[in-house]
Amino acid sequence: GAGVSQSPRYKVAKRGQDVALRCDPISGHVSLFWYQQALGQGPEFLTYFQNEAQLDKSGLPSDRFFAERPEGSVSTLKIQRTQQEDSAVYLCASSFRRGLMNTEAFFGQGTRLTVV
Amino acid sequence: TQLLEQSPQFLSIQEGENLTVYCNSSSVFSSLQWYRQEPGEGPVLLVTVVTGGEVKKLKRLTFQFGDARKDSSLHITAAQPGDTGLYLCAGPSSGGSNYKLTFGKGTLLTVNP
Repeated sequence: GAGVSQSPRYKVAKRGQDVALRCDPISGHVSLFWYQQALGQGPEFLTYFQNEAQLDKSGLPSDRFFAERPEGSVSTLKIQRTQQEDSAVYLCASSFRRGLMNTEAFFGQGTRLTVV
Repeated sequence: TQLLEQSPQFLSIQEGENLTVYCNSSSVFSSLQWYRQEPGEGPVLLVTVVTGGEVKKLKRLTFQFGDARKDSSLHITAAQPGDTGLYLCAGPSSGGSNYKLTFGKGTLLTVNP
């Protein structure tokens, strides 16, 4: 596709359920980022991949959060035993080069997760 | 921790009016970016400013980076309903990373016809 694609667009999970959020970056993009955007807030960094390597996972809120990008393309953000505070929009972005120096990050539409 | 404070948080104006929104920090940023995010969509990059005192224009939008690179403003002339959205400023996080962005909370702009 032409842009970053995320699925599902909406997910309702019961508290304690595991969820998996998918991101298809723009083809050929080296860098992939996950951000969490709570209601009324700006996006907050979760994790960064350069190809298949997860170079920074410092923003993941707890060990219930896990992200992978095994073949350097599609990425999955998994949240185990979801809690109500996990409710947010999860944004994926990709960029052509390593990092964001002299390049632009393109964001997907996000997955809105609601934990009930 | 570098923080970006945006003001106002909410702004509702009539079509044709001018407006300015602000992005301020106590920290120096090597660059700042402005994004617009429409409901149900991801942020879209509008501009990157990198030089203190820099002014960039994008049609009816004028972006300014403060001389000390601690603040930025976005001015919209003759606002249109299509300008409605959440305006976010963002800058590289401290620590030398070239990949992590710190975002402000945004200004939610509504332009009424």
